Amino acid sequence: ETGVTQSPTHLIKTRGQQVTLRCSSQSGHNTVSWYQQALGQGPQFIFQYYREEENGRGNFPPRFSGLQFPNYSSELNVNALELDDSALYLCASSLDRGASYNEQFFGPGTRLTVL
Amino acid sequence: DQQVKQNSPSLSVQEGRISILNCDYTNSMFDYFLWYKKYPAEGPTFLISISSIKDKNEDGRFTVFLNKSAKHLSLHIVPSQPGDSAVYFCAVSEYGNKLVFGAGTILRVKS
Repeated sequence: ETGVTQSPTHLIKTRGQQVTLRCSSQSGHNTVSWYQQALGQGPQFIFQYYREEENGRGNFPPRFSGLQFPNYSSELNVNALELDDSALYLCASSLDRGASYNEQFFGPGTRLTVL
Repeated sequence: DQQVKQNSPSLSVQEGRISILNCDYTNSMFDYFLWYKKYPAEGPTFLISISSIKDKNEDGRFTVFLNKSAKHLSLHIVPSQPGDSAVYFCAVSEYGNKLVFGAGTILRVKS
């Protein structure tokens, strides 16, 4: 069973640029969530996708957008990068069985640095 | 406004002794509580959880306690081992699809 993978591992961008981060869900999972972890903080929920539709969003501006594909892989896009966007971006996949909580499995993350 | 707080940034424990990590939350409507462990260069991995209808859950060396009246969650690790050294995150599940994390506690287990 393949776990959650993310690419790239590291990325350096300059302010104002756009970036796309990718995530491949664990086999059989239909839900993907994205989190931002700034230095010294815990992960913060960005949004979640269930069967290709956005299913919940955290307190992030519209320049953070996402996609989930039919094979349940996912992308996180960030436009007009700001210095504060520098963080570790984590993807987590889960199988939504309608329970009150569905365990989320995290990938290793993409470290984004904005200069 | 932080909904989940881990007030101890770090904890150092001798191998074989008990490690106690603490977490406080603000919203009494949270219904599912979790602990995640994170090693450098890896994503968080699920450790143990508890639902709001329970006050204790055990899994081997790990026990989670929930005190709903105090809105307090704790993780006990007995006995602590050097391989337990990692960052531990407390998290709560909000509406079943969003995890709200604390800032984490760095645990160092000395041999």
